[in-house]
Amino acid sequence: EVQLVESGGGVVQPGGSLRLSCAASGFTFDDYAMHWVRQAPGKGLEWVSLISGDGGSTYYADSVKGRFTISRDNSKNSLYLQMNSLRTEDTALYYCAKEVLVLYYYYGMDVWGQGTTVTVSS
Amino acid sequence: QSALTQPPSASGSPGQSVTISCTGTSSDVGGYNYVSWYQQHPGKAPKLMIYEVSKRPSGVPDRFSGSKSGNTASLTVSGLQAEDEADYYCSSYAGSNRGVFGTGTKVTVL
Repeated sequence: EVQLVESGGGVVQPGGSLRLSCAASGFTFDDYAMHWVRQAPGKGLEWVSLISGDGGSTYYADSVKGRFTISRDNSKNSLYLQMNSLRTEDTALYYCAKEVLVLYYYYGMDVWGQGTTVTVSS
Repeated sequence: QSALTQPPSASGSPGQSVTISCTGTSSDVGGYNYVSWYQQHPGKAPKLMIYEVSKRPSGVPDRFSGSKSGNTASLTVSGLQAEDEADYYCSSYAGSNRGVFGTGTKVTVL
C-alpha cells in the first residue's frame, strides 16, 4: 500500500524551530519529487516546498524562503522539513505529498499523508 | 504569488452537474498545462481528482472532468452524488519553480 506518514509537529514559541518528518512506503521513493503543503485552521491549502527525487533541487514559497529547509534521505525513504524562525502565521496542519508523475514536478500530488499539526504560540 | 481565484461556493441537486472555475493569470494557469484539482472532505487529507488539466488518476470516477481556456481552468462534476459534497481546490505551476493553490470552493449537494 502506498502510504505517507508525517510526524514531528507540536507547539513551539515564536522564533523557535521544529523538524517535520514524512515516512514513505509502497513506492520507489527516489523516483518521485515530494512536496510539503500546509493548511492553516479553517483556511485553504498553501504550497510550501518541493524537492526533486534525487534531492538535488529544492524550491520554496516566498512565505517560507530562508526559514524552512526541505530535504530527503532516500536510503530511509524519508522526507523532512526543517522549520526555523517560526512565526504565528506558520501555525497549520502540514502535509507531505507525492508528485503524481515520475521525474516531473507540479503536475499534481496523488498521495498525501494525514498531516502533522504545528502550533506557533507564546 | 497570489492564490488562484475560485468561487467560495457551488451547489447542485443529485444527478445535476456543477462546474467550478479557477482563474489565474498568464504566469500560472494560462502559461502551463500543469493544473490539478483536489477534493477534501472535512477532517481528511486532500485527494487528487484531476492532473495535467484533464487527466484522471485511476479510481476517480469519469463524472469528474477538467478543462482549461486561457487563464481559467474548470472542474465539472456530472451526475452529482451526495459523497461529492466537499471542498475543492485547484492548483497550478506558477513559474519560478513555485506552486500555487486556489482559494477553494465548497460544493453542496442540495
